[in-house]
Parts: sequence; structure tokens; C-alpha cells
Amino acid sequence: KAGVTQTPRYLIKTRGQQVTLSCSPISGHRSVSWYQQTPGQGLQFLFEYFSETQRNKGNFPGRFSGRQFSNSRSEMNVSTLELGDSALYLCASSLVQGAANGELFFGEGSRLTVL
Amino acid sequence: DAKTTQPPSMDCAEGRAANLPCNHSTISGNEYVYWYRQIHSQGPQYIIHGLKNNETNEMASLIITEDRKSSTLILPHATLRDTAVYYCIVRVVPSGYALNFGKGTSLLVTP
Repeated sequence: KAGVTQTPRYLIKTRGQQVTLSCSPISGHRSVSWYQQTPGQGLQFLFEYFSETQRNKGNFPGRFSGRQFSNSRSEMNVSTLELGDSALYLCASSLVQGAANGELFFGEGSRLTVL
Repeated sequence: DAKTTQPPSMDCAEGRAANLPCNHSTISGNEYVYWYRQIHSQGPQYIIHGLKNNETNEMASLIITEDRKSSTLILPHATLRDTAVYYCIVRVVPSGYALNFGKGTSLLVTP
């Protein structure tokens, strides 16, 4: 079956712009999590959605937001982009939320460059 | 979630066993140990997880000490394709997926 799909794979924006990234989870998966990966900070948790509700949020400013739709697809938005927002944004899905055997399946990521 | 400590890098010869250690001395009773790996430019990949018993699957074995303060991921016959960053994560169950990946161990498998 198809894996986690993230679009776009690569994008370039300038400071002050906003960006929307999309994530389609594995069919049947209802939990979607987002992570930011940078060389300096590594993989950092952004937020998690389950059944269209945000369940957890990481320590990121309010410029970072997300949502989940009824078909479990998710989007994240970053407004007023800063140079430091350049990163690989990873989406992961899981069949259920919180189960011990609930492994995360990651997509290939969306690489954002802010100029 | 408990903090984990891993060596920043390790080398392993192809065909030999790769033993990746992880210290999680503050782990609590409802925390599981998970291992993921990330091959360059790809999303992380789940490897294995366990609570207190040793676990084995087609990819690796997980050995957890009796006091659960440390664990070792074993790749029995490392190949060049196992070169990756390996992350040891402790996660409260049940809970969501706000995982703390830390810095991980960069494993280099050499010919």
C-alpha cells in the first residue's frame, strides 16, 4: 500500500512569505504528526493530530500551525517565514494514537529553503 | 519522557554485528524503548521497540537490561545499507507521538 506522501518535496520561499505543506497518511491511519529537522536542532516535534483534533503541540511559535481533515490528510502552515525556518519538514502517520505498538511511518519530507 | 544518551558515532565492518548502546537511566515503569533509524535524506524508519523483555524482529534485536536503565540494539550482520543515524527513544504508553529523537548515533558500516 502507498506510504506517507508529502507535497511539495522541495520549495523555496523568501522571508515574510507563508507556506503550506501537505501530508497524506497511509490509508486507514488516523494519527498524523509533524516534525522539523535542522542540522543544528535535529528532529523536533511540531504537533500531532488525531481525528481532526490537535492532541499535542511542540515548543514552536504561533507562526506554525496545522490542521487535519476528515479524511486524515493534514496540512501545516508557517506564516511570516524566517531564515531559521529552513528545514526538512517530516510528516508521520500511525494507525492509532498512543498504542504501545503504534509505530510511526514517516514520509520523505518537504525541504523548505527560506531566502 | 526519560532522557536517552547515545554515543555520537560508531563504526562497524560489513558482515559483523553492530551493537548500538543507549542509556536511559531515568526510565519509568510505563515507558517503552523505541529505536528508529534515518538513512541520509530519508524519513526515519521504525526498527523495534520493547518494554522489559528482549525483542527480535527481521531487522534487529533489542536487549534491555534487567533494571531497564540501558538497552542495546543489535544488527546481527551489518550491511552497507545499514549506514544511518540510529535514534533510541523512550516513550510513555499510552501517549501520543511527541517523540524526543535526540542526536542519535551515526553508524558507519565499512566494507
